[in-house]
Amino acid sequence: EVQLVESGGGVVRPGGSLRLSCAASGFTFDDYDMSWVRQAPGKGLEWVSDINWNGDSTGYADSVKGRFTISRDNANNSLYLQMNSLRAEDTALYHCARLRRGKEDHSFGYVPYWYFDLWGRGTLVTVSS
Amino acid sequence: SYELTQPPSVSVSPGQTARITCSGDALPRQYAYWYQQKPGQAPVLLIYKDSERPSGIPERFSGSSSGTTVTLTISGVQAQDEADYYCQSADSSGTHGVFGGGTQLTVL
Repeated sequence: EVQLVESGGGVVRPGGSLRLSCAASGFTFDDYDMSWVRQAPGKGLEWVSDINWNGDSTGYADSVKGRFTISRDNANNSLYLQMNSLRAEDTALYHCARLRRGKEDHSFGYVPYWYFDLWGRGTLVTVSS
Repeated sequence: SYELTQPPSVSVSPGQTARITCSGDALPRQYAYWYQQKPGQAPVLLIYKDSERPSGIPERFSGSSSGTTVTLTISGVQAQDEADYYCQSADSSGTHGVFGGGTQLTVL
């Protein structure tokens, strides 16, 4: 079965650290770019970070830049998110998602595409004193 | 920062057609995508590249685009369609994703 399963969430104090993991199965993991997307309680979706297929290119939302680090282990079909200096506003359900992105050549020029075609159910991170 | 705007809620009776809009200045130059999320479940990709449907998604879900607005249309709405729906696109540089605020669909 094609799936993503997150783990590693929990309760942490402000300023603390946490490492999230995502186990991928049912597809060739290193064929795909991957991403983390979070959802604060009762709120919408927010892209957090992404990584290309071999790990040598990463991107971060301004809200987490300098505090979070995304990485992957293709040998073990795993994605990670190291979260440091956590804040109350980082409290959210963190989803692992498979990322499809690139550019299509049309007669009028290149059109980028960028979307998530597979999601995990998420792991909850609560930052509270 | 780039924003996508959706109505917070849409209500429709079973069997009717629901239309959920999403507006953004860059949408004429970027593809739009739609996701369905039911309580406690992972989001599911419903529509990609404005109007393409992944395998396994029923034909009653369709997407369209006109200028700065994209629309998700659900024909013959069923009770099981009650969920939150999110539009998504890329930012103006095409380097990361941006989500709309989400629309809660209520089936009356």
